[in-house]
Amino acid sequence: DAGVIQSPRHEVTEMGQEVTLRCKPISGHNSLFWYRQTMMRGLELLIYFNNNVPIDDSGMPEDRFSAKMPNASFSTLKIQPSEPRDSAVYFCASSQTLTEQYFGPGTRLTVT
Amino acid sequence: EDQVTQSPEALRLQEGESSSLNCSYTVSGLRGLFWYRQDPGKGPEFLFTLYSAGEEKEKERLKATLTKKESFLHITAPKPEDSATYLCAVRITDSWGKLQFGAGTQVVVTP
Repeated sequence: DAGVIQSPRHEVTEMGQEVTLRCKPISGHNSLFWYRQTMMRGLELLIYFNNNVPIDDSGMPEDRFSAKMPNASFSTLKIQPSEPRDSAVYFCASSQTLTEQYFGPGTRLTVT
Repeated sequence: EDQVTQSPEALRLQEGESSSLNCSYTVSGLRGLFWYRQDPGKGPEFLFTLYSAGEEKEKERLKATLTKKESFLHITAPKPEDSATYLCAVRITDSWGKLQFGAGTQVVVTP
């Protein structure tokens, strides 16, 4: 298996622009997680999907962030409009329900 | 409030110098403790899951143990390729699988 796939790997954008991050989970996994990692706050859970349904989005920082999972093999995390404080590494992870999570390589986002 | 604390924050070892990392937790009902390894510029890589006090898991030079209040990750005779940040995370009762991560221990092994 190719593991969790994320794109792009790096994104540099200007403040106010829309950013879309993409994730393809491991085939057969029914849980998908979006995380954000920064030096100051460590690894934070943003949102969790189970069977393509958002279960917990309490970690989404504000309305500028939105996530979708239209099918079992694809999810997006969108930031609109982006701000410099959104600069971080964003990880997608997948698992079968209540088992260990497998992380993708991450997307490094820089907002100038 | 549920908390996960890792110590030390950073650890510098000579090749072959064994040591241990600590992950202490205060959670209301543990449903699994997870260890991950993270290399610079990469996503966390799953290492072990521990479920009950007294449980131990091993993989190459790494051994993870669990008590009722903490977990240890023992690194035996480390090599430079063991250099990484080691993260622990806990899953608590009544959660759907949500993990709470510690801040990590950065390990550097020098030749």
